[in-house]
Amino acid sequence: DAGITQSPRYKITETGRQVTLMCHQTWSHSYMFWYRQDLGHGLRLIYYSAAADITDKGEVPDGYVVSRSKTENFPLTLESATRSQTSVYFCASRDTTNYEQYFGPGTRLTVT
Amino acid sequence: DAKTTQPPSMDCAEGRAANLPCNHSTISGNEYVYWYRQIHSQGPQYIIHGLKNNETNEMASLIITEDRKSSTLILPHATLRDTAVYYCIVKARGGGADGLTFGKGTHLIIQP
Repeated sequence: DAGITQSPRYKITETGRQVTLMCHQTWSHSYMFWYRQDLGHGLRLIYYSAAADITDKGEVPDGYVVSRSKTENFPLTLESATRSQTSVYFCASRDTTNYEQYFGPGTRLTVT
Repeated sequence: DAKTTQPPSMDCAEGRAANLPCNHSTISGNEYVYWYRQIHSQGPQYIIHGLKNNETNEMASLIITEDRKSSTLILPHATLRDTAVYYCIVKARGGGADGLTFGKGTHLIIQP
């Protein structure tokens, strides 16, 4: 189906483990984004990408790694998960001419 | 990006028009007004945007004052499914950091 999908939708992991959240979009949008949403903070930008192989830091990038080898995929990796990274993670995309972003359904991550 | 101010919550009766205000008194000439909403446990959803003219689409209308210091999102016939947090975001197009800055928004509750 067309659109933007995230997987897994729910994940529980332990402190210190590596975990990767996947984001896939079928629109061939150039721009993709990762946000986290915590109670009391709203959505905060972690990383974004303007095209394949081009990524840049957002507001809260520490502890996260991203890659963009293909236009349609933008995985987010927590190299060594910490409890403070327990959050809901949203991926988004947009094309080059229209600035409205389209969001995925989110991944709820719990780090124990 | 200019800062926005929204009321934390509003109620509206089902079938009536919901009018959500947003103040953005420091908006610059090249900044657009965007509206998104987030229904509980879902990803944010783009609604509408505008620069200085009023805009209408299938979801809503956006009224921007002549001095551009405030705007109103209008949902013409609110339904229970419109209960959500509504975010007013002011953002210029282009430039470096491309993410959206979400404030606390307005929690709109549609009453049956």
